[in-house]
Amino acid sequence: KAGVTQTPRYLIKTRGQQVTLSCSPISGHRSVSWYQQTPGQGLQFLFEYFSETQRNKGNFPGRFSGRQFSNSRSEMNVSTLELGDSALYLCASRTSGSYEQYFGPGTRLTVT
Amino acid sequence: GENVEQHPSTLSVQEGDSAVIKCTYSDSASNYFPWYKQELGKGPQLIIDIRSNVGEKKDQRIAVTLNKTAKHFSLHITETQPEDSAVYFCAALPREAGNMLTFGGGTRLMVKP
Repeated sequence: KAGVTQTPRYLIKTRGQQVTLSCSPISGHRSVSWYQQTPGQGLQFLFEYFSETQRNKGNFPGRFSGRQFSNSRSEMNVSTLELGDSALYLCASRTSGSYEQYFGPGTRLTVT
Repeated sequence: GENVEQHPSTLSVQEGDSAVIKCTYSDSASNYFPWYKQELGKGPQLIIDIRSNVGEKKDQRIAVTLNKTAKHFSLHITETQPEDSAVYFCAALPREAGNMLTFGGGTRLMVKP
């Protein structure tokens, strides 16, 4: 099976812009989660989607949003970008009934 | 909420030696504890995990132990090799938290040939 894929891999945006990141989970996995990784804060949970519904949300401002489509693919959006949003954004997927989460390679977002 | 602390932050060992990384967690409701390995430019890779009803789990050169009473768990790597060099993260998942893993701060392991 193919692993979790994320596009784009690298992105440079300007402060104030918005950005959309995409994640395709492992085939058959209906649960998708997003994490932010920074040197200062480490790995932090953003949100989780299952069957197109958000099930959990981490402690991030409303500028961070996401959605999941009927084919389980997910997107996350960050509006009004700030310098502090520069990070590696990771997507992870898992199958129902399993705890194991498998991560994609991430999207490296740089905000200038 | 859950809080996970990981030690040490860096660890340097000679090839062939053993490496041990320790984590403590705060939420007694946590029941799943995975370990991830992250190499430069890649996403975290699940290498081993343990559930709260098990005290120890082994997979070839790696093992994880869990002490629920003390709320700590450890990763043991034996016969280390240069390709084991990476950043390792522990995590905890409280029951009813869905996918919301709480991660430790990471340990940079360097294996010297």
